[in-house]
Amino acid sequence: KNQVEQSPQSLIILEGKNCTLQCNYTVSPFSNLRWYKQDTGRGPVSLTIMTFSENTKSNGRYTATLDADTKQSSLHITASQLSDSASYICVVSRDSNDMRFGAGTRLTVKP
Amino acid sequence: GAVVSQHPSWVICKSGTSVKIECRSLDFQATTMFWYRQFPKQSLMLMATSNEGSKATYEQGVEKDKFLINHASLTLSTLTVTSAHPEDSSFYICSARSRLLGRGYTFGSGTRLTVV
Repeated sequence: KNQVEQSPQSLIILEGKNCTLQCNYTVSPFSNLRWYKQDTGRGPVSLTIMTFSENTKSNGRYTATLDADTKQSSLHITASQLSDSASYICVVSRDSNDMRFGAGTRLTVKP
Repeated sequence: GAVVSQHPSWVICKSGTSVKIECRSLDFQATTMFWYRQFPKQSLMLMATSNEGSKATYEQGVEKDKFLINHASLTLSTLTVTSAHPEDSSFYICSARSRLLGRGYTFGSGTRLTVV
């Protein structure tokens, strides 16, 4: 069983709408949690990184939350744009060299 | 800052030949580099971790004689797929980390390998 579970697997929304992606993890010990955006055929690009003590972090229209007690994180995208269409990957680290990847959520933003 | 350049972005090769993929950190010294492969609609799978000047540590199930990793300098790591077969066709991605950058990892743009 994957230690990082993401939901939904895929999501289609209309341009301008908001959406929230979920990441639940069982990774222990916990060092940090990252959200990445991966466009098709490209490498992942970092959106946010949070440590145990951080509950929320924003990067433009992207806002990530972290509940370290329940081991849950979310990525909220506001006012979606067509360019937001991509896979969003949640990565939880145990230490500097041990990263556990979620399977990703494939987001499609339609006009 | 923290840019990682991966080359080539795509390559087509014949079965039985070898292919080399380069990963360079352009503006920082990468003390550790990671190599991943990714199949369509799946997440990244770690293949190996390499520290500058030492042998790479391969994940279980990854053939070290087939996927040769060299991390000879603080700014360059290479992955060579030897005697490539069609089942090696995949998307290969590197990432680099510097102790000076703290928790940061930067990914390359990936290489699409097609073996025909």
